[in-house]
Amino acid sequence: KQEVTQIPAALSVPEGENLVLNCSFTDSAIYNLQWFRQDPGKGLTSLLLIQSSQREQTSGRLNASLDKSSGRSTLYIAASQPGDSATYLCARNMDTGRRALTFGSGTRLQVQP
Amino acid sequence: GAVVSQHPSRVICKSGTSVKIECRSLDFQATTMFWYRQFPKQSLMLMATSNEGSKATYEQGVEKDKFLINHASLTLSTLTVTSAHPEDSSFYICSASMFPGELFFGEGSRLTVL
Repeated sequence: KQEVTQIPAALSVPEGENLVLNCSFTDSAIYNLQWFRQDPGKGLTSLLLIQSSQREQTSGRLNASLDKSSGRSTLYIAASQPGDSATYLCARNMDTGRRALTFGSGTRLQVQP
Repeated sequence: GAVVSQHPSRVICKSGTSVKIECRSLDFQATTMFWYRQFPKQSLMLMATSNEGSKATYEQGVEKDKFLINHASLTLSTLTVTSAHPEDSSFYICSASMFPGELFFGEGSRLTVL
């Protein structure tokens, strides 16, 4: 079964901490991997997209890495802020050409002021 | 970035009625759109792949006669929930892509069936 797993399921940290969110997938065949942010009751905001040929992508305080061989991706958030509080979802696009995403269950992040 | 718009954002209907949700790509042409469903505190589950000018491809377990998908143009796909029941209450999200680029998501539509 093709699964995407995210740990931890929930995380609460004080403001200013650096943190790492983990994403793993069971099949190393991958077209790309995308990290999203979802605020309660809202749609998805794309944060970072990593192509299968890439190892990492950076945007501001966010850095995402991809290790195809181990089936893992991490999202690193530097100097966390209360505004970072949201659910973070990783999604894998299989190397099938369909381009539909398989989502992880998400990590609910709470950054306390 | 590219913008995908969904309408309505919220809809409440009586059991047995049909509800249509629209998904539009505002600044690009999308040959393929995807419809997802999300139950509370769960992740997104793909329902179907919508291809412009052809029939949608449904995921296993999704009733094609209940969830009608039409992709009549390169900028519009619609999802119609027919004869809705309370168990259909969910958050429906569409996405679209400019092949082979990244996927962009709409803001979602919350359906509540009374």
